[in-house]
Amino acid sequence: SYELTQPPSVSVSPGQTARITCSGDALPKQYAYWYQQKPGQAPVLVIYKDSERPSGIPERFSGSSSGTTVTLTISGVQAEDEADYYCQSADSSGTYAVFGGGTQLTVL
Amino acid sequence: QLQLQESGPGLVKPSETLSLTCTVSGGSISSSSYYWGWIRQPPGKGLEWIGSIYYSGSTYYNPSLKSRVTISVDTSKNQFSLKLSSVTAADTAVYYCALAVAGTPLDAFDIWGQGTMVTVSS
Repeated sequence: SYELTQPPSVSVSPGQTARITCSGDALPKQYAYWYQQKPGQAPVLVIYKDSERPSGIPERFSGSSSGTTVTLTISGVQAEDEADYYCQSADSSGTYAVFGGGTQLTVL
Repeated sequence: QLQLQESGPGLVKPSETLSLTCTVSGGSISSSSYYWGWIRQPPGKGLEWIGSIYYSGSTYYNPSLKSRVTISVDTSKNQFSLKLSSVTAADTAVYYCALAVAGTPLDAFDIWGQGTMVTVSS
């Protein structure tokens, strides 16, 4: 079955830039989406269609795509950004959706 | 403001069927372009897509769960439901219902319910 691979954890200091990657063979063909999830809460969509930002999401959140890897970038990280982040996409034939394993972002 | 709310038993016995309902408020489940989905998250683990449904009844399932999953929609009640049969402890998770607005079954989930914890135990 198709898998999306994320690093388990990323750590940054406040004000720095955090980059979280998500790799998968079908990413050149399928859009990727990113969610932020804080403890005890439902996920919140922060990026859709690789690089689009929903209304209400701060501009410091951005997304990019290059080949089989998509990247969520958080510029000027704030303490409130500490959370788990998940990518989502679909298999190459567009038959089913898949989530990455998640990345825990720690703000030092 | 469209909202989703999951409901159902919090405890299910092994080998039985897990049944959950998601009630949609603030909008119509029959809106064109909306896809309704179920996602679960075992304690301390990541998200897993279970499946999605269009108001017409078209369904899309995770291949790893397809043999045990049924998702249905009741437009008269503005609800959609999940049934997962032959459950084991591995099905213990927080179950979320969610809405994909953009018009494809595998699109981003824009709106999520708060989630409901289901434990499989005798």
